[in-house]
Amino acid sequence: DVKVTQSSRYLVKRTGEKVFLECVQDMDHENMFWYRQDPGLGLRLIYFSYDVKMKEKGDIPEGYSVSREKKERFSLILESASTNQTSMYLCASSPRGGSGNTIYFGEGSWLTVV
Amino acid sequence: GQQLNQSPQSMFIQEGEDVSMNCTSSSIFNTWLWYKQDPGEGPVLLIALYKAGELTSNGRLTAQFGITRKDSFLNISASIPSDVGIYFCAGQIKGTYKYIFGTGTRLKVLA
Repeated sequence: DVKVTQSSRYLVKRTGEKVFLECVQDMDHENMFWYRQDPGLGLRLIYFSYDVKMKEKGDIPEGYSVSREKKERFSLILESASTNQTSMYLCASSPRGGSGNTIYFGEGSWLTVV
Repeated sequence: GQQLNQSPQSMFIQEGEDVSMNCTSSSIFNTWLWYKQDPGEGPVLLIALYKAGELTSNGRLTAQFGITRKDSFLNISASIPSDVGIYFCAGQIKGTYKYIFGTGTRLKVLA
């Protein structure tokens, strides 16, 4: 079974703190993603990585950065957390290729910024 | 970002009834995926469809990839209380890494 593991399920951080969300997948997938999910807005792509050290901005990258030093690990970084970044964050992975790919999600990380 | 039209938005049904929901898009997809998400959890993949016209089952769930490549439906037969949750579809745009997600159908099953 594909496993995408997010290290922190629930976090509470203060405004201005630097926040790291970690994600590991065990299926040797090339593609990894970070989404945030908010009521009424659905899933929105923050960043995408298609290879080690490679990244592309998604629809809402402002206020976020990412790091992919190893194939299995993709980190989301909030340089200076703000209250409007309170959300559910979902990591996902999929194999490379433009066609016929399934995307698998982690359990989610609930971040509250106070 | 872009979202797929998914209907119905929510439904209350009696245990034992069948359920049907669908997603439509203005774009052509080469993959349709269906997920279930419980409160506070990540989405869990239910069914993946890779070919126009494909009909695939997973237990009491059946999903189809529309012939036009612009729609898909999910059926749940003989619903049970643990079917409660949010179901959403996702489509992959051909030749890209991009996935577009449906707005979700919230299902409540009354025992």
